[in-house]
Amino acid sequence: QLQLQESGSGLVKPSQTLSLTCAVSGGSISSGGYSWSWIRQPPGKGLEWIGYIYHSGSTYYNPSLKSRVTISVDRSKNQFSLKLSSVTAADTAVYYCARDVDTAHFDYWGQGTLVTVSS
Amino acid sequence: QSALTQPASVSGSPGQSITISCTGTSSDVGGYNYVSWYQQHPGKAPKLMIYDVSNRPSGVSNRFSGSKSGNTASLTISGLQAEDEADYYCSSYTSSSTGVVFGGGTKLTVL
Repeated sequence: QLQLQESGSGLVKPSQTLSLTCAVSGGSISSGGYSWSWIRQPPGKGLEWIGYIYHSGSTYYNPSLKSRVTISVDRSKNQFSLKLSSVTAADTAVYYCARDVDTAHFDYWGQGTLVTVSS
Repeated sequence: QSALTQPASVSGSPGQSITISCTGTSSDVGGYNYVSWYQQHPGKAPKLMIYDVSNRPSGVSNRFSGSKSGNTASLTISGLQAEDEADYYCSSYTSSSTGVVFGGGTKLTVL
């Protein structure tokens, strides 16, 4: 059974960079046909897709966040990461990592991690 | 990319059927059969309920069904049960970013 687990700092100061990692177990992150996504949910609000990285290494980002987002993969550790720069209070959210199947649907999700942006 | 449009809330009594709509554009819902639906209970991660418009993952009750007409997709839940009370989100592939766009979410209340 595939499992995803987010980790990283739960508190980030404004203007700094948010960094999260998603550890994948029960399967290989290098398996073809999948991409690996980050999705966030501000408190009391809806889901927002941040971006994904294909098994090939290609990345695609939400246009509204593109200038501040980097998603990368570490195949040796079977994990992928999110960096979001120049954060503000509006970036406070629960951040989820998820596996994205070929037709843009997410079949496995991490439990989510709350990141608060505050001084 | 603009969020897909869902009703903020729907409600129904146990045993009844309800339908949640999800309206997009020809760049997302209308252009591709890549619509999916997620159920989210409070404090939990979303759970995939429907993918590729009308397919159910293994383990999801056949009371959940999906369809699409033009730029609008729909999720129907038949035989409502108390455990169905949750937030529901639609999503679609979008060619505008070669990515994914979500709906704003619909809160389902089982009366």
